[in-house]
Amino acid sequence: QLVQSGAEVKKAGESLRISCEGFGDTFYNLWIGWVRQRPGKGLEWMGIIFPGDSDTRYSPSFEGQVKISVDKSISVAYLQWSSLKASDTAVYYCAKWEFWSYNSSGQFDSWGQGTRVTVSS
Amino acid sequence: SYDLTQPPSVSVLPGQTATISCSGDNLADKYVAWYHQKPGQSPVLVIYVDVQRPSGIPARFSGSNSANTATLTITGTQNVDEGDYYCQAWDKTAGLFGGGTRLTVL
Repeated sequence: QLVQSGAEVKKAGESLRISCEGFGDTFYNLWIGWVRQRPGKGLEWMGIIFPGDSDTRYSPSFEGQVKISVDKSISVAYLQWSSLKASDTAVYYCAKWEFWSYNSSGQFDSWGQGTRVTVSS
Repeated sequence: SYDLTQPPSVSVLPGQTATISCSGDNLADKYVAWYHQKPGQSPVLVIYVDVQRPSGIPARFSGSNSANTATLTITGTQNVDEGDYYCQAWDKTAGLFGGGTRLTVL
């Protein structure tokens, strides 16, 4: 139920914003997150955002490296970079995050199809 | 920082039981989720809050979490269960994944 924007090919130093939309009217009350998967590597938890009030949680590994935002008027979440690096080459998944216990446990229970980002140096 | 450690690979014969471990300090104090990812596909949640199966996940998948180790068990493993499995937990202010385990059905 989450649909992501298409593949991107960029050069190092360029900016980029990719998007994720879905869940219609309920988007406002869902946590939406982003996960990175570099080529041949594992999943990396990047961060989540609550569209209702833009409350955002970043993994320490990604704090300051990317920006997660939303436009709740159109039910779209974004992941953006101000200056891409070759090491940002990866597939990026958006997914719906569900807290089991608020701010202490949760899981991604619905995933988008992934957006492939290729950055050349 | 908190780490989740998984074995890189596990092999199992069809119909046998596969167990995949996920280790972390006092992991039993946290809830663990498990995901299955097939090549070229998005991950799928198979277990959450240690032991719960989402709707549509077969009953052959089960989970446990005790002391420092969470375990995903697949009873009567089928060829379709091949792929990568990731554990995931929450630490302080963010989530994190284990490194992943490649399950091969021989």
